[in-house]
This record gives sequence, structure tokens and C-alpha cells, in this order.
Amino acid sequence: DIQMTQSPSTLSASVGDRVSITCRASESISSWLAWYQQKPGKAPRLLIYQAFRLQTGVPSRFSGSGSETEFTLTISSLQPDDFATYHCQQYSRYSWTFGQGTKVEIK
Amino acid sequence: QVNLRESGPALVKPTQTLTLTCNFSGFSLNTRGMCVSWVRQPPGKALEWLALIDWDDDKYYSTSLKTRLTISKDTSKDQVVLTMTNMDPVDTATYYCARVDDYSGFDYWGQGTLVTVSS
Repeated sequence: DIQMTQSPSTLSASVGDRVSITCRASESISSWLAWYQQKPGKAPRLLIYQAFRLQTGVPSRFSGSGSETEFTLTISSLQPDDFATYHCQQYSRYSWTFGQGTKVEIK
Repeated sequence: QVNLRESGPALVKPTQTLTLTCNFSGFSLNTRGMCVSWVRQPPGKALEWLALIDWDDDKYYSTSLKTRLTISKDTSKDQVVLTMTNMDPVDTATYYCARVDDYSGFDYWGQGTLVTVSS
């Protein structure tokens, strides 16, 4: 199975900061990578799919990049509503795997 | 609009079989490209993908859990059912169902249902 490794596990940042989260796949997944935001007690919310495509309704401060084995989620200017946990997810050969999550907390 | 809602027991005993139902609306599992998946999340831990069923009734399972899982659909009722056998306390988690459109991300989720495994 393909393993997904996110870094960092926790990120402390301030409102207005540019933040980036990395996700690495144990083997190439082309561009089959999605990013989700999750707040406590809530279901995940799809932000980015196919590595860089912004889901409808998601603010443009969120962006995704990368391919093959290394991917990045970037928030260009962190807003109060963005403090949450972010998960990457790969899809390859009819199997899906999530990363362990990155918590973005207030500095 | 698209909605999904999970239902099932809140408490199961070890060794029992868990049956969860996902009732959905706003889309059809007869539509080419549509899928429904199950994901779980133990308290304070990461998301774990469990199973997916597509419009063509193809079914896919987590490698580590496939001997214990069965996913099925009833398109007349707009329902997807997941069964998990031989439940253990480590299976305590919030279980979510989600829509998957053309394998492009899980775009709509239910609110989740917490299942506790305890004697």
C-alpha cells in the first residue's frame, strides 16, 4: 500500500502568515492527491483535488502543487477561520490513503 | 443539494458485527462516475479509508481490513451499507460516509457517527 507522510505534524502561525504543508507519497501517484480541512467535531472538507484543482467555494488563498511523490498545500495569508487540521489523501490503483494530519494552531 | 447521513449503533460488543447505513440525497449512484466511500477516525487520530462502491457496483476495500468489510448499495433507497465483522475496541471511531465524484476527491461528507466497541 502507498503510504502518505505529512510534515510538519503541528504548525504554529499567526494571522496573515503564508504557510505550507508537505505531503510525500511512498511511490508515484501522478497527480491523484487531495487536501482536506477538518475542524474539531466536524467532518473533513475538500479543499483541493487532483493536486492543484480548487474545489468550488474554497477561497483562493488555498493552493496546491506538486506531482509524483511530493505535494504542497499553501495558504497564502492565514485567516482566523483557517486554524484547523489538514489532511492529504492519495488515490492510486483503487486504493485511498490519508496522511496523519497537520494541525495549524495559533502562534 | 447533496446530503449524506450515517446511522447505526453507538455501542457494539467485541466480536459483534457492525452494520452502518449511509442514506444520501441530491445525487444518484446510478450516475456514471458516482461513488460512495466509508472513512473512519479514531478519537484524536488520523482518517482511515475503509471501502468504496461505485455506480457500476465495483467495490474496493482497505487492504488491512478487507477480510472484515462488506460494502453494498441499494439504489432504490439511495443507501449504502457497510458491515464490519469481529469488532474490537481498537475499532472505536467516528465513521463517515462520503460522496466521491469521478474519483476526484471526497466532496460531500456525512456528519459522522461515533461507534464505541466495549463489553
